[in-house]
Amino acid sequence: GAVVSQHPSRVICKSGTSVKIECRSLDFQATTMFWYRQFPKQSLMLMATSNEGSKATYEQGVEKDKFLINHASLTLSTLTVTSAHPEDSSFYICSADTKVNTEAFFGQGTRLTVV
Amino acid sequence: GQQLNQSPQSMFIQEGEDVSMNCTSSSIFNTWLWYKQDPGEGPVLLIALYKAGELTSNGRLTAQFGITRKDSFLNISASIPSDVGIYFCAGQLSRSWGKLQFGAGTQVVVTP
Repeated sequence: GAVVSQHPSRVICKSGTSVKIECRSLDFQATTMFWYRQFPKQSLMLMATSNEGSKATYEQGVEKDKFLINHASLTLSTLTVTSAHPEDSSFYICSADTKVNTEAFFGQGTRLTVV
Repeated sequence: GQQLNQSPQSMFIQEGEDVSMNCTSSSIFNTWLWYKQDPGEGPVLLIALYKAGELTSNGRLTAQFGITRKDSFLNISASIPSDVGIYFCAGQLSRSWGKLQFGAGTQVVVTP
């Protein structure tokens, strides 16, 4: 199946700094990617839809100025957590729509810890 | 918005037993999906259901898309230790295959 790769898999940062997470589609072009957040022992919650060449669409309650999404190419979407705080510590997962396969492909996730 | 209720929250079973979990929705989904997530990993698709009433199997897994399009169940037969993990149902929110609403998850623990 299609491969979606996230980097880094784990990151620890200091409070107040920014962190960038990359989501790449390795063997297909993805005009649309999705970012999810998962807190411990909870489900995946959709944060935003990343659209290649245009602005991201954010779900209700997600601060667009805090979670900056850039989808500058057909194979890469980035999520930048700006001015991170401990409450932003979470597991961030991306998925990509191949527009061909009738399923979504997920990355392996990024564990963010803000100290 | 749409609400997905998944139950049970957790299950502790013995190896060889069958497992059953289900999801109900407050409104209609056009596609139901079942995923398994191992610790520290992204979810992996187990079964996808596209039509109301559809019954689909994948090895020891069987899932059905309810006739009303508001519910789905997943069965695991003859459980083995590697079935341990968290199982999520998900409904497709739009025509984009990656935009999903997930249930709360069912944690399955299999003891030898």
